[in-house]
Amino acid sequence: DTAVSQTPKYLVTQMGNDKSIKCEQNLGHDTMYWYKQDSKKFLKIMFSYNNKELIINETVPNRFSPKSPDKAHLNLHINSLELGDSAVYFCASSQSAKQFFGPGTRLTVL
Amino acid sequence: KNEVEQSPQNLTAQEGEFITINCSYSVGISALHWLQQHPGGGIVSLFMLSSGKKKHGRLIATINIQEKHSSLHITASHPRDSAVYICAVNTSGGGADGLTFGKGTHLIIQP
Repeated sequence: DTAVSQTPKYLVTQMGNDKSIKCEQNLGHDTMYWYKQDSKKFLKIMFSYNNKELIINETVPNRFSPKSPDKAHLNLHINSLELGDSAVYFCASSQSAKQFFGPGTRLTVL
Repeated sequence: KNEVEQSPQNLTAQEGEFITINCSYSVGISALHWLQQHPGGGIVSLFMLSSGKKKHGRLIATINIQEKHSSLHITASHPRDSAVYICAVNTSGGGADGLTFGKGTHLIIQP
């Protein structure tokens, strides 16, 4: 019954690898987001998707690519991982601006 | 300077005390959010405001649009209220823009 789910919860990988984080929402919301929380716990928007169209991309390196196969899913693919990509990544969805967050994925790049 | 500023950054109080966390913003907004992040990491939306005041249980959120300021109050605080409280805004243009966040207030309520 989880409203917004993410997998995996933890991801440990080597520099240079390519990885994906999956996100699914069962709320029927039109808009989904990816946020990054850095080591100082500061949250920042990365992407938002509305009806499968990218709305914003906030100075995120093009190694990061969101992929939305349908309205309920917004996956995050990361190429050539770097040490600085280590963070917690949160997926969220919204309808009428109120946001519902996934549990987060802690990515550690070694 | 961050577009959303919170104070204090850290707050330790005794159980039962009245808590106030402040948020100021420097941009036009369509809505302001108060979020709670527990030590386990999950983020929960507490309030979404565009004007006035909202109350839920022991939590009260207010916003003054003219002064670009919001406050989150906790009455009769309890150790389970210990968490990071984050102020965030939707900048003018609607919810599809995503949220711009403050740096959070780390609240500890001691028994």
